[in-house]
Amino acid sequence: QKEVEQNSGPLSVPEGAIASLNCTYSDRGSQSFFWYRQYSGKSPELIMSIYSNGDKEDGRFTAQLNKASQYVSLLIRDSQPSDSATYLCAVKGSGGYQKVTFGTGTKLQVIP
Amino acid sequence: DVKVTQSSRYLVKRTGEKVFLECVQDMDHENMFWYRQDPGLGLRLIYFSYDVKMKEKGDIPEGYSVSREKKERFSLILESASTNQTSMYLCASSLGGEGTQRDTEAFFGQGTRLTVV
Repeated sequence: QKEVEQNSGPLSVPEGAIASLNCTYSDRGSQSFFWYRQYSGKSPELIMSIYSNGDKEDGRFTAQLNKASQYVSLLIRDSQPSDSATYLCAVKGSGGYQKVTFGTGTKLQVIP
Repeated sequence: DVKVTQSSRYLVKRTGEKVFLECVQDMDHENMFWYRQDPGLGLRLIYFSYDVKMKEKGDIPEGYSVSREKKERFSLILESASTNQTSMYLCASSLGGEGTQRDTEAFFGQGTRLTVV
């Protein structure tokens, strides 16, 4: 079982719709959760971090965390073509050092 | 803004060469990381460092070594480059320390695309 799992996609949504990206993780003691956006040929960019159960909103982005289900998601409202990218879920586990494990990413395509 | 700078954007090296990839961060971060990214495999951690002269192996350290002589600089060394080390290499840094939730928010450099021929 992979430590952090994501559907590779591509996930296609029409412009203006809500895009829902999902991630599961295996380490029940994980503490910190991140979403990175990576445009083709570019490096990952942190867009959201979440540390406690529930929802965290930042503009059009909402991160949701459910530690009991070991599940974290990212919702993008009013999706724009500029949101087309690969979204990486990352998790800090319960290990003694500050290692973060990345999922393989979900490719999002927003269709104009 | 945090700035993480990698010394080269593109590199082409020959099999057997010793290769140095350099990374510098300007935000006094404790932690620095080297990842490689390959299609279908995602980001895989090669090595990380949580302090000057301190290093820990990541998931795929074989064929690589690292050096951190100064806090702001973290070097990745390919002792004898091989074709299977052709990849995108990404350096990252994070605040580190203890007691803050934001200590592991990572900031990435622009990446070095290494081709070994």
